[in-house]
Amino acid sequence: SQELEQSPQSLIVQEGKNLTINCTSSKTLYGLYWYKQKYGEGLIFLMMLQKGGEEKSHEKITAKLDEKKQQSSLHITASQPSHAGIYLCGADMEYGNKLVFGAGTILRVKS
Amino acid sequence: DAGVIQSPRHEVTEMGQEVTLRCKPISGHNSLFWYRQTMMRGLELLIYFNNNVPIDDSGMPEDRFSAKMPNASFSTLKIQPSEPRDSAVYFCASSWDRLPLMNGYTFGSGTRLTVV
Repeated sequence: SQELEQSPQSLIVQEGKNLTINCTSSKTLYGLYWYKQKYGEGLIFLMMLQKGGEEKSHEKITAKLDEKKQQSSLHITASQPSHAGIYLCGADMEYGNKLVFGAGTILRVKS
Repeated sequence: DAGVIQSPRHEVTEMGQEVTLRCKPISGHNSLFWYRQTMMRGLELLIYFNNNVPIDDSGMPEDRFSAKMPNASFSTLKIQPSEPRDSAVYFCASSWDRLPLMNGYTFGSGTRLTVV
């Protein structure tokens, strides 16, 4: 969706390095969702952010939502090959039980 | 729970043929969504149902596409006639009807459609 811009489009990192993926909207987000997808498989829900300034962590993955609720970042600490995949942000932009998604960020981790 | 179940996992068909994709949502979920994923356009919402009623079909690309949800445990997405540009991975997802969606949608494994 052009309503949600993800950057970078792709990323190659050395195992053990940290990385950040961004998701930006021109509209206020009522909910921001991060998903991970492995090639040929469905999307796996990681976490959801709702409040401005909110931060959540799951294992070595941390996601934040800015105060204006228009930008989110996903940060992976000490990346591992298991982190490789496509990361997608999805957002509820109309408070109406419908998610639109960004184009995704392809992450490759070199061991 | 077995999760959202889609069938078939792979479908190869010839241009002009009818294709039917199937989805069984998680028991108790009352919202169901059909998405299409391509390299060029990413993940696009085609249509979604709430309590078996189509709510928003603005993402359905053409009249060749139709979707039904005859009951709470089954939905179909039909393409007739199919064209090569319909080749994509089609995902079905379901959720509780709560705002906001605290746990997001649960996605199926997808159907990879190839139209030759």
